[in-house]
Amino acid sequence: KQEVTQIPAALSVPEGENLVLNCSFTDSAIYNLQWFRQDPGKGLTSLLLIQSSQREQTSGRLNASLDKSSGRSTLYIAASQPGDSATYLCAGMNNNAGNMLTFGGGTRLMVKP
Amino acid sequence: DAGVIQSPRHEVTEMGQEVTLRCKPISGHNSLFWYRQTMMRGLELLIYFNNNVPIDDSGMPEDRFSAKMPNASFSTLKIQPSEPRDSAVYFCASSPDSTEAFFGQGTRLTVV
Repeated sequence: KQEVTQIPAALSVPEGENLVLNCSFTDSAIYNLQWFRQDPGKGLTSLLLIQSSQREQTSGRLNASLDKSSGRSTLYIAASQPGDSATYLCAGMNNNAGNMLTFGGGTRLMVKP
Repeated sequence: DAGVIQSPRHEVTEMGQEVTLRCKPISGHNSLFWYRQTMMRGLELLIYFNNNVPIDDSGMPEDRFSAKMPNASFSTLKIQPSEPRDSAVYFCASSPDSTEAFFGQGTRLTVV
């Protein structure tokens, strides 16, 4: 059974810092890895999807990488802004588990002005 | 596209009552997921449909929970009878060919 862990659980940084959020998974037969953002009281917004044949994806100030052999994914946020404050969740999809998404516990990010 | 649409956004009900949550997936998506989110347990997958067929319902907590997908554009999650411990935010998500998943805004359920 796939298990996904995110470290740290919470992170507070000053505005402008570059930061890295970590996600690890136990089953290397992962098919897709997706990063989401969740604002308080809101739904999940998809940020980046890394498909099985890819190693990284970029969107604006965000870059996500996937290393199946080590069971790790990272989300890099460049030049953080207060508007980046939210909870960031990673989720793995395994094609040997009915294509279900298994979520990590999330990293709660606060960027201080 | 309007995205995944869930209704109601908020539901407050008394213990023992039946609750029905509704979801309209994005048109053309053939996979649909129901998740529950709580502070204690995070996001948990309840059930997953592919082409309107339930594929895995091992996450459904008890027989009080049931889900249906009568057609490609509509799904329901029903709790009968509801209990206070069912209080949570329930999310519906859809994806095309089990790739990128898109989530609705959720239904916040409070059972008193």
